[in-house]
Amino acid sequence: EVQLVESGGGLEQPGGSLRLSCAASGFTFSTYPMNWVRQAPGKGLEWLSNITPNSNLIHYADSVRGRFTISRDNAKNSLYLQMSSLRAEDTAVYYCVRDQDFSFDYWGQGTLVTVSS
Amino acid sequence: QSALTQPASVSGSPGQSITISCTGTSSDVGSYKYVSWYQQHPGKAPKLMIYEDSKRPSGVSNRFSGSKSGNTASLTISGLQAEDEADYYCCSYAGSLSWVFGVGTKLTVL
Repeated sequence: EVQLVESGGGLEQPGGSLRLSCAASGFTFSTYPMNWVRQAPGKGLEWLSNITPNSNLIHYADSVRGRFTISRDNAKNSLYLQMSSLRAEDTAVYYCVRDQDFSFDYWGQGTLVTVSS
Repeated sequence: QSALTQPASVSGSPGQSITISCTGTSSDVGSYKYVSWYQQHPGKAPKLMIYEDSKRPSGVSNRFSGSKSGNTASLTISGLQAEDEADYYCCSYAGSLSWVFGVGTKLTVL
């Protein structure tokens, strides 16, 4: 069974940093592109970032480019999102998502990040 | 990249059919065969319902179907059931390993 379990969310002050992790199991993690998608409270879904299986290609949405960094450790079956210069508008549930043929076939349960002073 | 346009809400009675539209541009929906649709119940993670414009993942009811014409994709749900009440999001590949979601549509089953 495919499982994606996010962790690392919490309350952080504006300008601060936070690192999200996603533990993957039930599939060959090293062969799939992975993504982060977020959803602000009461709002829609927003794609944030994609990383290819061997990390050779990485892309970001304009809203987070230069502030967020996606990475992965295939040996640990883990995906990460390093977030810095956090803003109030970064408050959201962050989902770890598997990419299958340019669609998002498995999602984690999400981790809530709240940016507030 | 601007969010894809979807109606804010749609509704239908049990047994009826409804269609949700998703309008993008020639740079996303109109350029790639990679429109997908997601169902999200309150407090839950999204679930993939349609991929590659019109394909259904294993386990998804055949009451759900997808289509596309030009820059507009559509999700049709036939034989509406109470459990179909949820938020629905379209998503399109937009090139250069980037994606854009629709604004979301709230489906109410009357």
